[in-house]
Amino acid sequence: GQQVMQIPQYQHVQEGEDFTTYCNSSTTLSNIQWYKQRPGGHPVFLIQLVKSGEVKKQKRLTFQFGEAKKNSSLHITATQTTDVGTYFCAGWGYALNFGKGTSLLVTP
Amino acid sequence: ETGVTQTPRHLVMGMTNKKSLKCEQHLGHNAMYWYKQSAKKPLELMFVYSLEERVENNSVPSRFSPECPNSSHLFLHLHTLQPEDSALYLCASSQGGGNTEAFFGQGTRLTVV
Repeated sequence: GQQVMQIPQYQHVQEGEDFTTYCNSSTTLSNIQWYKQRPGGHPVFLIQLVKSGEVKKQKRLTFQFGEAKKNSSLHITATQTTDVGTYFCAGWGYALNFGKGTSLLVTP
Repeated sequence: ETGVTQTPRHLVMGMTNKKSLKCEQHLGHNAMYWYKQSAKKPLELMFVYSLEERVENNSVPSRFSPECPNSSHLFLHLHTLQPEDSALYLCASSQGGGNTEAFFGQGTRLTVV
């Protein structure tokens, strides 16, 4: 079945530094979604990418979908302490299949 | 408030107990899901209900039993659990699947003693 892999597992940055997490799927995806889970919270939808090579931006967050629709990335520019949390990518099978997530810690 | 409500938020149960987790969605969605989240593993899909029909993940032990009486409610019945079942159990809903976002409840933190 579909497997979604994510790296790195953890990332610790100083506030103001950039951050990137990468997602790779074993199969071609029709679309990919990104979720954020704050410590002690639940996953919250961030964005969905559908088209090959698509790039979407949300303020300091940039999301990219690979040309082959098998990989994706999330880049955060100039991290802030409010960015702390775990970022998951997910692809749809008969339900959402989540990667293991990247836990981001931002030190002031 | 996500539109998906889970109760209880915390539950401690013994290995011989029987308990149920409840999930209710107020979004008019037609699909509901149970996920297990533990420290060692990512969000593991347990069960899917679409249009009140169950699609089951075969790797889920029989001590977990889902129930979906209608499109707004989802239960997870628990019996004779093991300590390794301690985890955060998350309910989610979506309108169909494949191209829609999922909305998650705040989860039930389960501890089996």
